[in-house]
Amino acid sequence: EAGVAQSPRYKIIEKRQSVAFWCNPISGHATLYWYQQILGQGPKLLIQFQNNGVVDDSQLPKDRFSAERLKGVDSTLKIQPAKLEDSAVYLCASTQVGGRTGELFFGEGSRLTVL
Amino acid sequence: QKEVEQNSGPLSVPEGAIASLNCTYSDRVSQSFFWYRQYSGKSPELIMSIYSNGDKEDGRFTAQLNKASQYVSLLIRDSQPSDSATYLCAVINYGQNFVFGPGTRLSVLP
Repeated sequence: EAGVAQSPRYKIIEKRQSVAFWCNPISGHATLYWYQQILGQGPKLLIQFQNNGVVDDSQLPKDRFSAERLKGVDSTLKIQPAKLEDSAVYLCASTQVGGRTGELFFGEGSRLTVL
Repeated sequence: QKEVEQNSGPLSVPEGAIASLNCTYSDRVSQSFFWYRQYSGKSPELIMSIYSNGDKEDGRFTAQLNKASQYVSLLIRDSQPSDSATYLCAVINYGQNFVFGPGTRLSVLP
């Protein structure tokens, strides 16, 4: 079974530029999460999708971050314009049945450096 | 008060000792609790889940839950250098979201 795929693995941009990250969850997983993990901290939830609907985006900085999950499968996370404090690893995770089982499957992450 | 709190460490233990990792949470209605391990530069991976008060054992790992005290712990027996990692406590909160703590960095010394 293929795991959660993310790209790009690494991205370096200058502040005020834009960047987009892509995630393909495990086949059949209805719930998809985007987390931001700053070095030395735990993952922070940015947005949660159930199929193609948003369940929770309360911690998504909507003035600069946006995310979509078209057709309930792939998802993209965009940052525009980027700030220095956006430097982090962006983790995509998926789970099969609303997350109650606890088995979040994570992708390898996309490491963003903003200069 | 943060939803999930952990000591950041680092926690250093000698090889073969018991490592004890602690976590407290603020949402009294939380019902599901998890421990994830994250090696440096890698993504988190699930090692234990616990849903009822008491202990749950899996190999060298024991998770303990006390809902009255809003406290979860993870014991690692016979610690090995390969256990050196950051351990993340996670809770499913009232909004059905996975909330992670800041993690405790464990170092097992040979």
